[in-house]
Amino acid sequence: SQTIHQWPATLVQPVGSPLSLECTVEGTSNPNLYWYRQAAGRGLQLLFYSVGIGQISSEVPQNLSASRPQDRQFILSSKKLLLSDSGFYLCAWTGQGLPNEKLFFGSGTQLSVL
Amino acid sequence: GNSVTQMEGPVTLSEEAFLTINCTYTATGYPSLFWYVQYPGEGLQLLLKATKADDKGSNKGFEATYRKETTSFHLEKGSVQVSDSAVYFCALYSGNTPLVFGKGTRLSVIA
Repeated sequence: SQTIHQWPATLVQPVGSPLSLECTVEGTSNPNLYWYRQAAGRGLQLLFYSVGIGQISSEVPQNLSASRPQDRQFILSSKKLLLSDSGFYLCAWTGQGLPNEKLFFGSGTQLSVL
Repeated sequence: GNSVTQMEGPVTLSEEAFLTINCTYTATGYPSLFWYVQYPGEGLQLLLKATKADDKGSNKGFEATYRKETTSFHLEKGSVQVSDSAVYFCALYSGNTPLVFGKGTRLSVIA
């Protein structure tokens, strides 16, 4: 069966520090991968999605970036965090042959930037 | 562009009360509509969906009907339980673009 792993579960970082959140999917190949952010009062915002290795689409311009170095690995990064980067980050995937709207979410990373 | 608007929370209800969470959408074409639920400390999971006008999605006692004439997909449950406390997201899918979510509505059910 397919599983999605996302880590760390919680993270407290100072302003200006770098960020790396990792997400991996097991049990499937060539998934579509997504990073969403859930910020207080702003709902669920799509940040990046990827349909294949090295293919990244950015939905919102900001100081975050995403990379997909391997088929089932999706990394969210920042060189210098801002206070406004605080939020709950969710990785999600959907598989080839599945409807694109059926997303499977990881358990999320609560990021606090202080 | 595509967008989803859902009622602001939080919503607090007593156990066995009737629940309605409003959702309206704007989309080109003929979107599919969804409700996702996020229980405390977890990611989101699909609750129900409807793919065409007048379809009714249902799961775990929750229902929502796709109303094209009012561009709405309101979530309802006849008798809520404490275990239904969660954040509910309305979402839309149209064409090959990723899912678009509403801002979420937090529901708290008290015994």
